[in-house]
Amino acid sequence: KAGVTQTPRYLIKTRGQQVTLSCSPISGHRSVSWYQQTPGQGLQFLFEYFSETQRNKGNFPGRFSGRQFSNSRSEMNVSTLELGDSALYLCASRSSGQVTGELFFGEGSRLTVL
Amino acid sequence: AQSVTQPDIHITVSEGASLELRCNYSYGATPYLFWYVQSPGQGLQLLLKYFSGDTLVQGIKGFEAEFKRSQSSFNLRKPSVHWSDAAEYFCAVDRNQAGTALIFGKGTTLSVSS
Repeated sequence: KAGVTQTPRYLIKTRGQQVTLSCSPISGHRSVSWYQQTPGQGLQFLFEYFSETQRNKGNFPGRFSGRQFSNSRSEMNVSTLELGDSALYLCASRSSGQVTGELFFGEGSRLTVL
Repeated sequence: AQSVTQPDIHITVSEGASLELRCNYSYGATPYLFWYVQSPGQGLQLLLKYFSGDTLVQGIKGFEAEFKRSQSSFNLRKPSVHWSDAAEYFCAVDRNQAGTALIFGKGTTLSVSS
């Protein structure tokens, strides 16, 4: 069974640009969560999607957005990039129906903003 | 608000020695608690989780953790460390008790000396 796949793995952008990151969850998993990891702030929850609906959201500005498609694949978008957006963005999936299920993480997309 | 504290930023342990990584949490109700491990360039892997019941939980790779409500702690232990255990370890509490919106500690980096 393939794991959580994130693309691209690495990318470099400049301030003011926007970026879209993609996440393909484990087959059959309908919940997808996104986390931002930085040396200063650590791991912070961005949002979670389940069946194409956002059902949890962290404390990030509106520049950070996401969506989920009918095949459970998810994208997150960051507009008007700032230097502080440089981070490892991790996606995690969980199978539906489990209240206490494990989160399976991808290897992340490392974004550098210059 | 929920929070997780990992007091030790970096720990060095000799191979074969025992290990204990500390985690303290702040949460009003009975928490859902997790330990994850992250190797360089990798995503996060779940080591173990606590939801209820027996306060000593067993995980993968020979790790265990003990939930102590009176101390608001969930420390991770391993009786004999292997060089391959060198990684960053994160303790997390579940924000919405569904295992999807996790609040992470800042992490503890484990180095293993020979």
